[in-house]
Amino acid sequence: GENVEQHPSTLSVQEGDSAVIKCTYSDSASNYFPWYKQELGKRPQLIIDIRSNVGEKKDQRIAVTLNKTAKHFSLHITETQPEDSAVYFCAASHGNRDDKIIFGKGTRLHILP
Amino acid sequence: DTGVSQNPRHKITKRGQNVTFRCDPISEHNRLYWYRQTLGQGPEFLTYFQNEAQLEKSRLLSDRFSAERPKGSFSTLEIQRTEQGDSAMYLCASSSRTGANVLTFGAGSRLTVL
Repeated sequence: GENVEQHPSTLSVQEGDSAVIKCTYSDSASNYFPWYKQELGKRPQLIIDIRSNVGEKKDQRIAVTLNKTAKHFSLHITETQPEDSAVYFCAASHGNRDDKIIFGKGTRLHILP
Repeated sequence: DTGVSQNPRHKITKRGQNVTFRCDPISEHNRLYWYRQTLGQGPEFLTYFQNEAQLEKSRLLSDRFSAERPKGSFSTLEIQRTEQGDSAMYLCASSSRTGANVLTFGAGSRLTVL
């Protein structure tokens, strides 16, 4: 079955700098890759997603890139702000064929003042 | 209908007892998922439903765990003969069959097994 590896497990960046979180997946049939943000004591919420037919997607300060050949995808956050402090999870699923969504173990992002 | 609702929010039980959690998804969502999350880990897939059909159950899930969605609306997750290792947050999520498979999570049910 699908296995999603995520790193780093913890990341600290100065406010205003960029943060990058990387994930790899094992099943080449996966074609949908969402990212969820979980603030302390709250439920995970989708922040951005990408399908395998595109290589990059941007939404304001957040971007995701996908390399299907290498089976890895990354989350980029630019101009980080204190409210970006949270745990971020990458995930993968087959989309059309199999709707099971498998999550990585998460990256705790700290934005330093 | 303001989101995914889970009950109870907290459950403390003694080892060996049975517990049941309930999830009420967003009414127009036909897919429902159960995940387990422990401290510092990502949501671990347990099982999921499309309408009333249980499409997959994780191999990691022992026979002590069972889930149902009898009418394709709410779902229950039962854990029999609980063990201390079952202590975790049990998250329910739902999604619509149309468009991207965006999960809307509930607040979770936290289980503590003494």
